[in-house]
Amino acid sequence: GAVVSQHPSWVICKSGTSVKIECRSLDFQATTMFWYRQFPKQSLMLMATSNEGSKATYEQGVEKDKFLINHASLTLSTLTVTSAHPEDSSFYICSASSIAGDYNEQFFGPGTRLTVL
Amino acid sequence: GQNIDQPTEMTATEGAIVQINCTYQTSGFNGLFWYQQHAGEAPTFLSYNVLDGLEEKGRFSSFLSRSKGYSYLLLKELQMKDSASYLCAAMDSNYQLIWGAGTKLIIKP
Repeated sequence: GAVVSQHPSWVICKSGTSVKIECRSLDFQATTMFWYRQFPKQSLMLMATSNEGSKATYEQGVEKDKFLINHASLTLSTLTVTSAHPEDSSFYICSASSIAGDYNEQFFGPGTRLTVL
Repeated sequence: GQNIDQPTEMTATEGAIVQINCTYQTSGFNGLFWYQQHAGEAPTFLSYNVLDGLEEKGRFSSFLSRSKGYSYLLLKELQMKDSASYLCAAMDSNYQLIWGAGTKLIIKP
């Protein structure tokens, strides 16, 4: 099956610093990449959807200036959490999709656990 | 609005069968997905239904009724490793996944 990688797997940073998370589709070209956030014991919350070469579409309530998304190629998207604060501590998961057969399945990366001190 | 409902938690015995239900309301419909998520890990794909009926894949089966906005995931011959959260997600007309909160399945020996 399709493989999506994320880097780093976990990161601890000080409040006020910025953190960049990379999401790569390793063996397919992703037309769309999705960024999710998941707090403990809660379901996935979609933050934004990005298509290669265009601006990301952010969900309501997600600050686009705080969560910068760059989708420079069909295999790489990055999420930068700027001026991180403890409330940004969460599990960040990316997924990538391409047209596969007659449906649009999302393949998930392993996630990045962010802890802001 | 768009909404997915599934039970918060279920308990079953090793070797038994369990059915996890999901009801959905979406703007348009392009299929129903089930994902498994172990604690601290990302979701992994289990099944996809877009037509009415039952899809069987080994110990796992998934059913869809589009007219009722209803799906279920059936797990047979339960194993301890099946303890996980099971996420139901419906794809809307914009090909976006609308996620349920997940059902935590606890397997007891």
